[in-house]
Amino acid sequence: QQQVKQSPQSLIVQKGGISIINCAYENTAFDYFPWYQQFPGKGPALLIAIRPDVSEKKEGRFTISFNKSAKQFSLHIMDSQPGDSATYFCAPKGGGNNRKLIWGLGTSLAVNP
Amino acid sequence: EPEVTQTPSHQVTQMGQEVILRCVPISNHLYFYWYRQILGQKVEFLVSFYNNEISEKSEIFDDQFSVERPDGSNFTLKIRSTKLEDSAMYFCASDGDAHIEQFFGPGTRLTVL
Repeated sequence: QQQVKQSPQSLIVQKGGISIINCAYENTAFDYFPWYQQFPGKGPALLIAIRPDVSEKKEGRFTISFNKSAKQFSLHIMDSQPGDSATYFCAPKGGGNNRKLIWGLGTSLAVNP
Repeated sequence: EPEVTQTPSHQVTQMGQEVILRCVPISNHLYFYWYRQILGQKVEFLVSFYNNEISEKSEIFDDQFSVERPDGSNFTLKIRSTKLEDSAMYFCASDGDAHIEQFFGPGTRLTVL
């Protein structure tokens, strides 16, 4: 049972380009939709997150787009930089008292200089 | 900036041995979690802990696993009799009542031989 489907598995982008990573979910009870960034040998770190009552959130070069009816949300990285090279995970949170994060398989992003 | 810390960074053990992984969550946080990540795979939820008891656990968290908050600062994960398939990165995370962002530690790499 795969509640969260993330794509693509890997992505190569040129410096300055746009990176787009998608996440589709099944559980309509999810109430918090974060993207985590993980560098090799490190723990995941929250990059940006959105609540289901808004359709878009932008923080600097990072934007989440959320489509509640389609049960999808995506991460857009504008002006991608080599320092953005990392693995990205969507990890929506179960609703209400259910606080666990349900993780996608991850996307390995490489930004070429 | 407060952070979650974990010790040891790497633990090597023989199959069948007991291991204890240690975590110090952020001091004013109330919810504590263990996740694991098998090399190259997604992050998986193991257990959540609140108010000195387990609030939720996954199918992975069988009777070989236990968690404890032995004092006001540490949060431990014990594996009673390790198996080869327990080899993974184990991440501790915490969050507070007013914050739903889970902060992750750097992880403990467990290698079972």
